[in-house]
Amino acid sequence: DQQVKQNSPSLSVQEGRISILNCDYTNSMFDYFLWYKKYPAEGPTFLISISSIKDKNEDGRFTVFLNKSAKHLSLHIVPSQPGDSAVYFCAASWTGTASKLTFGTGTRLQVTL
Amino acid sequence: DTEVTQTPKHLVMGMTNKKSLKCEQHMGHRAMYWYKQKAKKPPELMFVYSYEKLSINESVPSRFSPECPNSSLLNLHLHALQPEDSALYLCASSQESEDTQYFGPGTRLTVL
Repeated sequence: DQQVKQNSPSLSVQEGRISILNCDYTNSMFDYFLWYKKYPAEGPTFLISISSIKDKNEDGRFTVFLNKSAKHLSLHIVPSQPGDSAVYFCAASWTGTASKLTFGTGTRLQVTL
Repeated sequence: DTEVTQTPKHLVMGMTNKKSLKCEQHMGHRAMYWYKQKAKKPPELMFVYSYEKLSINESVPSRFSPECPNSSLLNLHLHALQPEDSALYLCASSQESEDTQYFGPGTRLTVL
């Protein structure tokens, strides 16, 4: 049972445009969400997180939006840059078991020139 | 500095071999983790250490044996592995077990 889903395996966006990566979850206990970026042959790099008491968190070009009623979160990257090309994983956990991250299957983002 | 280092980068071993993976962090983090990632799949949690004590074992087969000799080091001892154990093994650490996890680059393991 995949509790965290990223339904788009890949996404292609032109440089300078907005990239929107989506993530859905089924477990209503989740209250902390993270996005990681992963280059080939490297470990995931933490990007940004959001707690369920917020609906938006921003860090530079990266913004994460959380819609609890829809059990949906999204990562916006604007403007997109070629160096953003990577696989993006969303992950979720809940208080008391925050050490147990559940990852989505990942979305490969390609930023083209 | 959020660096987690892992050695070796690549490891090829036979099914009868004994080998170890090593993970190190010098950020003063008190929680450390082992994950396994198969191709085109998300990372899956194997073990969690908190304050050098094993706090979570996700029903991992005994041919994988974790060890936390001190707060900066985490080892994963491998013995009698199967070819299906071939994967990328990722180590992570966090300030406390409830905090954001930072990952190392991984060890690419191939079992022949």
